[in-house]
Amino acid sequence: DAGITQSPRHKVTETGTPVTLRCHQTENHRYMYWYRQDPGHGLRLIHYSYGVKDTDKGEVSDGYSVSRSKTEDFLLTLESATSSQTSVYFCAIRFGDTEAFFGQGTRLTVV
Amino acid sequence: DQQVKQNSPSLSVQEGRISILNCDYTNSMFDYFLWYKKYPAEGPTFLISISSIKDKNEDGRFTVFLNKSAKHLSLHIVPSQPGDSAVYFCAASGNNDMRFGAGTRLTVKP
Repeated sequence: DAGITQSPRHKVTETGTPVTLRCHQTENHRYMYWYRQDPGHGLRLIHYSYGVKDTDKGEVSDGYSVSRSKTEDFLLTLESATSSQTSVYFCAIRFGDTEAFFGQGTRLTVV
Repeated sequence: DQQVKQNSPSLSVQEGRISILNCDYTNSMFDYFLWYKKYPAEGPTFLISISSIKDKNEDGRFTVFLNKSAKHLSLHIVPSQPGDSAVYFCAASGNNDMRFGAGTRLTVKP
């Protein structure tokens, strides 16, 4: 257990509603990442953070925003959920040029 | 823009033989490379990594090779075991971000 927790683990939401996923770490790692996993696409980077209030876009950032107001929490918000955002979302933490540790994932279904 | 590519969606090998998983990248800024293993309903778990200053790193049955000029890395598993059956992802990092390939599903047959 690398001290990383994602919540909720499962969520079903309706199209058009906002959704926030939370990633919490107890390791004080600098880097935090949000990925989505879809069949045939592997893990695609949505957004990442390299410090408090320092975030940047990944390869599939449209429709998502993030915030990191303190080291331990990295929030991913779907501003208006769409069916194409149905996916499994993974958060990862990383100290530096080292391995990253992943959370258990959040399965999000948009109906 | 897919900066990390794993062109083989699946690989099947016999127990005891060598498994070779391949990965290509396009961004020259990547300077650290990693391999992850993933089982269903779990997060990916770290296997082995390599820095761009090296061309080989070994850890038990797992060896990663890096060819910078070809922008290619590979993971060798020898001998392969049925418990190695999983999806394997390669990742490349640099400039703070970390990108993954689409994964290769390895099946090791007893």
